[in-house]
Amino acid sequence: EAQVTQNPRYLITVTGKKLTVTCSQNMNHEYMSWYRQDPGLGLRQIYYSMNVEVTDKGDVPEGYKVSRKEKRNFPLILESPSPNQTSLYFCASSFDREGSYEQYFGPGTRLTVT
Amino acid sequence: GIQVEQSPPDLILQEGANSTLRCNFSDSVNNLQWFHQNPWGQLINLFYIPSGTKQNGRLSATTVATERYSLLYISSSQTTDSGVYFCATPNQGGKLIFGQGTELSVKP
Repeated sequence: EAQVTQNPRYLITVTGKKLTVTCSQNMNHEYMSWYRQDPGLGLRQIYYSMNVEVTDKGDVPEGYKVSRKEKRNFPLILESPSPNQTSLYFCASSFDREGSYEQYFGPGTRLTVT
Repeated sequence: GIQVEQSPPDLILQEGANSTLRCNFSDSVNNLQWFHQNPWGQLINLFYIPSGTKQNGRLSATTVATERYSLLYISSSQTTDSGVYFCATPNQGGKLIFGQGTELSVKP
């Protein structure tokens, strides 16, 4: 089954404790990205990757890191989480369909930083 | 950049009713997607519809690219249809530009 998976689905952590949210897709997509969703602010892009070893900042990259060492994986790293990073996070992947991008989302990760 | 607007912002229906959700975009697009975010927060792909009409069960969507709008039809609504419906289109870099969503509540 074609899918995007994320782990963990739920996480409660404390300020400053490094964490990684994994994302994996089995569709051989070149393009992957991370979004966060907050009430009143909608979905905002954090980072994206056009292919292996190619990453770039989205709209809200501060406090996050990513890596793209393999085509299927795109982990999101919070080196020193803070309470303002409490959010619902989505990983997405897509392919370039004739200049367009049909995107598929993972199930989401609810992160709470206390 | 492109602007995406959805209407209505909120909608309450009785189970079995039909509804139409609208998505307007400010510029020409080559991709338009509809998503359903269920009460558990998951974003479910409904349609990839840059133009024309598609149907999937009780749901159908139409995009009129020349007039810069898309419509999502829900027929014979069920309580499981509740949630937020988003339309979105990617910019040139692939980032999805989302509308603000239509929050649908279907009452039994």
